[in-house]
Amino acid sequence: EAAVTQSPRNKVTVTGGNVTLSCRQTNSHNYMYWYRQDTGHGLRLIHYSYGAGNLQIGDVPDGYKATRTTQEDFFLLLELASPSQTSLYFCASRDIGNTLYFGEGSRLIVV
Amino acid sequence: GDKVKQSPSALSLQEGTNSALRCNFSIAATTVQWFLQNPRGSLINLFYLVPGTKENGRLKSAFDSKESYSTLHIRDAQLEDSGTYFCAAENTEGADRLTFGKGTQLIIQP
Repeated sequence: EAAVTQSPRNKVTVTGGNVTLSCRQTNSHNYMYWYRQDTGHGLRLIHYSYGAGNLQIGDVPDGYKATRTTQEDFFLLLELASPSQTSLYFCASRDIGNTLYFGEGSRLIVV
Repeated sequence: GDKVKQSPSALSLQEGTNSALRCNFSIAATTVQWFLQNPRGSLINLFYLVPGTKENGRLKSAFDSKESYSTLHIRDAQLEDSGTYFCAAENTEGADRLTFGKGTQLIIQP
C-alpha cells in the first residue's frame, strides 16, 4: 500500500499569514496532486506535478503556489492566507497503474 | 454544469440491503476511479476502471464510456460501508488529472 504523509494535520492561521503544507510519498510515484475539499464542491484540483521541478496548474490555483523539490516531496504554499482558503487539503500520489493514493488530509482554518 | 454528476447525493439503508450509486459524465471520460471517504475522513481507493466491470467482495463497479456513466453496487451493506463515495474521471482534454463528483453520502443503519 502506497504511503502518503501530510503535515501539519491541523493548522490555524490569521488572514495574511504564510502557510506551507507538506506532502511526502515514499513509493517513487511520478505524479503528485494537491486538492481542496469543501462542502458542496467535492474535491477540486489546485496544483499537480509529474516530477521534481515540474509544476502544473489545476482548476482552482488562485492564491496558491506549489513546489516539487524532490520525487518524494510536494509543498503547497499560501503566502497571504485568506478566510476563503479555510478548507481540508489532500495530497495524493499516483502509481504506474494510475491508481490515486491520498494522504490523511490537512485541515486549515484562516481566521 | 457539473462535469461529473453523482446520484443520489445522500442515501440511508438498512444493514443487509443492496444499493446502487451512479455517476454521469458530461466529459469524454476515459477512466473512472471510485473512492470511499470514511467517517474519519480518510480517502480509500475502491476501483480503477477502464470501460468494463470489476468486482471486489461485496462491491461491483461498471463503467460505460459510450453511454458516459459509471455505477457502484454495494451488496449486503454493512455498518462499515458508511461514508461518502466519490467517483472521479479522467478525460481526453485533461490527461493525468481527475475531475471529481460531489459525492454520495451513504448511511447504513442497524
